[in-house]
Amino acid sequence: AQSVTQPDIHITVSEGASLELRCNYSYGATPYLFWYVQSPGQGLQLLLKYFSGDTLVQGIKGFEAEFKRSQSSFNLRKPSVHWSDAAEYFCAVGADSGGGADGLTFGKGTHLIIQP
Amino acid sequence: DAGITQSPRHKVTETGTPVTLRCHQTENHRYMYWYRQDPGHGLRLIHYSYGVKDTDKGEVSDGYSVSRSKTEDFLLTLESATSSQTSVYFCAIRQSRGGTEAFFGQGTRLTVV
Repeated sequence: AQSVTQPDIHITVSEGASLELRCNYSYGATPYLFWYVQSPGQGLQLLLKYFSGDTLVQGIKGFEAEFKRSQSSFNLRKPSVHWSDAAEYFCAVGADSGGGADGLTFGKGTHLIIQP
Repeated sequence: DAGITQSPRHKVTETGTPVTLRCHQTENHRYMYWYRQDPGHGLRLIHYSYGVKDTDKGEVSDGYSVSRSKTEDFLLTLESATSSQTSVYFCAIRQSRGGTEAFFGQGTRLTVV
């Protein structure tokens, strides 16, 4: 079974500074990887996804992520954060093997705080 | 935005009472999921459906049942609510598996007192 680890529960970044959120996954085959963002009281919104091809993936709101197979990682980055980026961020892995319709497996999330 | 509606959005219920949460989609997606979100646990899969009348258990299915009699509706039932089921519940839909993303509803905040 697949699993996702987000090592950082909270991260505080100054507005305008760069950001990197870490995500490590465990899965036996080539994974499908996703980053979602959740603003307070809201549902989850997809930022970007990776399933093949170029290992550097561009997403919405200026975010990007890089898939590194050798490190089993899919870290999310943004060169300059804005106060509106304060939210909860979730990394997820999806599978496409076997029977059934297994859903995405999520990490526990990283809470991003933006300092003025 | 994906056409997903969860109802109710908020509910307070007493321990031991039955509760049903509804997820309605207008996208005609085959796969539907119920997750619960709790602090420190992220999102955990409760049950999922891969078609009308086709459902299966997820990671945390004890105390929950589901039904899908129409493509557009996926119901989550707590037969006898307990305080440990106080949570935020999210419905999600996917067109297919693998590399396709899930679209989420706005969530239902359930409090069991």
